[in-house]
This record gives sequence, C-alpha cells and structure tokens, in this order.
Amino acid sequence: GEDVEQSLFLSVREGDSSVINCTYTDSSSTYLYWYKQEPGAGLQLLTYIFSNMDMKQDQRLTVLLNKKDKHLSLRIADTQTGDSAIYFCAEKDSSYKLIFGSGTRLLVRP
Amino acid sequence: ETGVTQTPRHLVMGMTNKKSLKCEQHLGHNAMYWYKQSAKKPLELMFVYSLEERVENNSVPSRFSPECPNSSHLFLHLHTLQPEDSALYLCASSQVLGNNYGYTFGSGTRLTVV
Repeated sequence: GEDVEQSLFLSVREGDSSVINCTYTDSSSTYLYWYKQEPGAGLQLLTYIFSNMDMKQDQRLTVLLNKKDKHLSLRIADTQTGDSAIYFCAEKDSSYKLIFGSGTRLLVRP
Repeated sequence: ETGVTQTPRHLVMGMTNKKSLKCEQHLGHNAMYWYKQSAKKPLELMFVYSLEERVENNSVPSRFSPECPNSSHLFLHLHTLQPEDSALYLCASSQVLGNNYGYTFGSGTRLTVV
C-alpha cells in the first residue's frame, strides 16, 4: 500500500537553513504537499508541488521533488524560532485520499 | 468567522458517555473530512463527505458515527468509546472532493477517553 516516511526530528540554529526530507512509495502520486502543525493547532498548508515539476520556490520555502527516487524535500531558508513546529509531508493520487507521513518535529534553537 | 471551526477544543469523556464533535466551515467548500491524529502515527482518514453524501467509511468502528446535515456542517457522534480512541480529531474541507490544491484543516478536538 501507499507509505510516506519522514525522519522524526530536526534541530537547527536560528538563521540556518532547515531541510526536511520525505520519501513516498506511490508512483501514481500526482500532487505532494507540505503541511505545518503548531502546538495546539490544526494543519496549515504551506505549499504543494505537482508531480511533473522538480522544484518550487515560495519566499523562504523551496520544495525539491525527485520523482525517480520518490523523494521530496522542504528547505526553509533563514529559519526562525516561529518555524518550530511539526512538518507533515503528504501525497495524493487522482482520488481524494491524502496520505500523510508521521511528521518531522523541527526545533529552532536561538 | 472564516476557515474551519471545530468545537469543543477539548473533551474528556467516560467510556459509557455519548458526545458529539462539531465542525463548521464558511468557505463554500463542498467536501468535508474527518481525520484521527494519534501520537507518533500518520493521520488516519476516517470519513469523507461530498455534497452531503458519504463517500468513504474507512473501516472505522461503529462507535464513531458521522453526520453531514449540510455542506457547511459535519458532526462526529461518539458512544461507548475505548481509551485507545483518545486522540486529536481533525476536520478538513476542500472546495471539491479531492481538490488538488490542498485541504483546509480545523484546529481539532483533543479527545481523552477515561
């Protein structure tokens, strides 16, 4: 079945770049997403990428997609303490089912 | 109010209680979803409604009963729950079923079953 995997934890210093990685197994994925969850809150959509793209940039966020290796990454430039949260990778095929990873907890140290 | 609103934010219930979770959206979306978020596990899709019709019942125990009276409101009725049902229950909506541009999530209801 479909599976999305992420590392559990990442710690970076404020001002550095953060790179959160994700791998997925479903080759029929058409859209891939990054969501952010702050403590006590729901999931906030950060960005998404269509499977025929290999890069998307949106201000401090850069998404890289390697479709051959089924690898997705999210780079946050100039990471701030407000970026501390859990980041979820998700993939969707042509249906409505969003398949999520378990989330990566990002800790930004001052 | 805009976005997806869930009430209550926190709920503690005994195993013999009956309670309901409520979700409301004023985004004009036609599809609504219930997800369960347990510690250290991926989000699990529970139920999906499109234009008030249920399109997914993802092997969820019958002690969870969804209701969608109109496209703006979604309920999750709970009865005789188990302690392992304790989790964060998230509601989401999308403009159409399976919208490619992402789903909008509420802040969730933190449920504790004692």
